Amino acid sequence: QSVLTQPPSVSGAPGERVTISCTGSSSNIGANYGVQWYQQVPGTAPKLLIYDNNNRPSGVPDRFSGSKSGTSASLAITGLQAEDEADYYCQSYDNSLSGNWVFGGGTKLTVL
Amino acid sequence: QVQLQESGPGLVKPSQTLSLTCTVSGGSISSGDHYWSWIRQPPGKGLEWIGYIYYRGGTFYSSSLKSRVTISVDTSKSQFSLRLTSVTAADTAVYYCARRVVGTTVTNSWFDPWGRGTLVTVSS
Repeated sequence: QSVLTQPPSVSGAPGERVTISCTGSSSNIGANYGVQWYQQVPGTAPKLLIYDNNNRPSGVPDRFSGSKSGTSASLAITGLQAEDEADYYCQSYDNSLSGNWVFGGGTKLTVL
Repeated sequence: QVQLQESGPGLVKPSQTLSLTCTVSGGSISSGDHYWSWIRQPPGKGLEWIGYIYYRGGTFYSSSLKSRVTISVDTSKSQFSLRLTSVTAADTAVYYCARRVVGTTVTNSWFDPWGRGTLVTVSS
């Protein structure tokens, strides 16, 4: 069971907007630690999508955006494209004994 | 840009030691801003952070694995390595090496880039 909780799956049609939630607690997201998001196309390594809550690395389209509030964070994808179909993981720091750099369980995005 | 590549045996017997190496190219492993990490992903499951090492040798491990994990670095070869002892089937996973980038604070950091990963199967 992951320290950060994500929905197992989300879906949307091309052109639509989808959001993926990441729920933590007072020992991670709620402690004001930054949240990151990674995209993993099946069979490949994760790729950094969002860092420090809402920053995009060079080369990541502005269709991807991140936000954080309280003990939760969200990834929003607008103008959904077929190539966005992948697994998405959130990541943060946790100050409890359960581990330090922690990931969510992952969300499978299906483009209908 | 920096690239990472994992290498090592793809099959390890139960109770034995898993050993992997990550080779860093396109940049210096001795950069003061970065830490070198191992992360794993069991088949069909999520990501688990294992630990990291600084180029000067300082290490930090996941509390759930620290009794079995050792990460070392060889700056002359631009490599860092993972050793995981007393493995079981539960240690079967794709093992990734990644650069941990520190943001505004030490605890606010992320992993970028990642190696392509290597599957290690624990089986007799």
